Amino acid sequence: LAKTTQPISMDSYEGQEVNITCSHNNIATNDYITWYQQFPSQGPRFIIQGYKTKVTNEVASLFIPADRKSSTLSLPRVSLSDTAVYYCLVVGDNTDKLIFGTGTRLQVFP
Amino acid sequence: AAGVIQSPRHLIKEKRETATLKCYPIPRHDTVYWYQQGPGQDPQFLISFYEKMQSDKGSIPDRFSAQQFSDYHSELNMSSLELGDSALYFCASSFGGGNLYGYTFGSGTRLTVV
Repeated sequence: LAKTTQPISMDSYEGQEVNITCSHNNIATNDYITWYQQFPSQGPRFIIQGYKTKVTNEVASLFIPADRKSSTLSLPRVSLSDTAVYYCLVVGDNTDKLIFGTGTRLQVFP
Repeated sequence: AAGVIQSPRHLIKEKRETATLKCYPIPRHDTVYWYQQGPGQDPQFLISFYEKMQSDKGSIPDRFSAQQFSDYHSELNMSSLELGDSALYFCASSFGGGNLYGYTFGSGTRLTVV
C-alpha cells in the first residue's frame, strides 16, 4: 500500500475554501485515492474517491494531477461543522482493509 | 438507509475483566473490519472477516479474538483487559472487500478500562 503524507493540522474560517494536499509518491497503477472525514467520537465517513483529474460531489472536489503522486481535497466554503480530521488513503484492487495514516485536523473558526 | 450498528455504545470494565463488542454490518455486506482508536490517535486496523472467515489480521493482541457469524454480524472478544485497552473500537463493513465501493463505519464502542 502506498504511504501517504498530509499536513497534521490546518486552520480556516467559515466561508473560506480549504485545500488539503496529500502526497502518495509510491501510488500504483491500479490504486485509487480516497478521502475520509472523522468527527470526534464518530467513525470515519467516506467523502470522495478518484483515480485521475477531477472528481466532484456534493461535499467536496478531488484534484489529481497527471502523475498521481499527490492529490488535493477541496472543501468549498467551509462551516464550523466541517471541523474534523481528514484522512487520505490509497486503495487498490487487492485492498482488503483501510490503513489510516496521520490525518489532517481541520479547525474552522467563526 | 441502514448503517453499521455497534453495541454497546459505551462500556466500562475493570482491569482483568472481559468485554464483548458487537457489530452488525449493513445488509448484504459480507466483510467486517475492526479498528481500535486510542485517545488522539488514528484508527488502527485489528482484524477483518470475509464470508465468516478471517481474512486479515493487524495489530490485534493475543488477548483479543473475533469471529463473524452466519448472519454476518461480528463480535470482538477482549479478555484480561488492561488500562491501555481503553479506546474507541470501530467496526466497518463492505461488500466484497470495499476498495472501490467504500467502507461504512459504525459509530463505535467506547471502552473504558478502570
